[in-house]
Amino acid sequence: GAVVSQHPSWVICKSGTSVKIECRSLDFQATTMFWYRQFPKQSLMLMATSNEGSKATYEQGVEKDKFLINHASLTLSTLTVTSAHPEDSSFYICSARDLGVPTEAFFGQGTRLTVV
Amino acid sequence: GNSVTQMEGPVTLSEEAFLTINCTYTATGYPSLFWYVQYPGEGLQLLLKATKADDKGSNKGFEATYRKETTSFHLEKGSVQVSDSAVYFCALLGTSGGGADGLTFGKGTHLIIQP
Repeated sequence: GAVVSQHPSWVICKSGTSVKIECRSLDFQATTMFWYRQFPKQSLMLMATSNEGSKATYEQGVEKDKFLINHASLTLSTLTVTSAHPEDSSFYICSARDLGVPTEAFFGQGTRLTVV
Repeated sequence: GNSVTQMEGPVTLSEEAFLTINCTYTATGYPSLFWYVQYPGEGLQLLLKATKADDKGSNKGFEATYRKETTSFHLEKGSVQVSDSAVYFCALLGTSGGGADGLTFGKGTHLIIQP
């Protein structure tokens, strides 16, 4: 099946610094990738939809200047958390859709971000 | 808009018990339906899916049938094991966005199986 690789799997950073999370589709091309955030013991909330070659579409309430998304190629999307603060600590998960398999989405392993 | 409602847990069962986790949805068109499982500290794994009405998804002893008339996709397993302890998410993938839609998730059900 299709594989989505997310890196790093966990990261600890100091408050005020920026952190970049990568999401790669390893064996398929993904024109659209999705970024989700999951708080402890809660469901996944869609943050933004990342489109290759164009600006991301952010969900209501998500700060686009804080969560920078770049979809540089058909196999790579990045999420940068800028000027991170402790309230940004969360589990971030990316997902990608393969146009060849339109009825499914594939998930990365997730990134545990802790801001201290 | 699309929405998914699933029973909230935690659900605690004894090993070999019968499991049902209810899931209902609201969506336009003909969505695809999924169950994902998340083990502690890990990402999501697809457990099973169904892409059209009356389809039955099955995997690892789990089953769910896409019921359009009741807009439901209940997850069942005949005999649960301790290793099934995890959080289960029901999810929906809409068809109205031309392939650009993200998944809509239920809130998740924490399943605890006791030996």
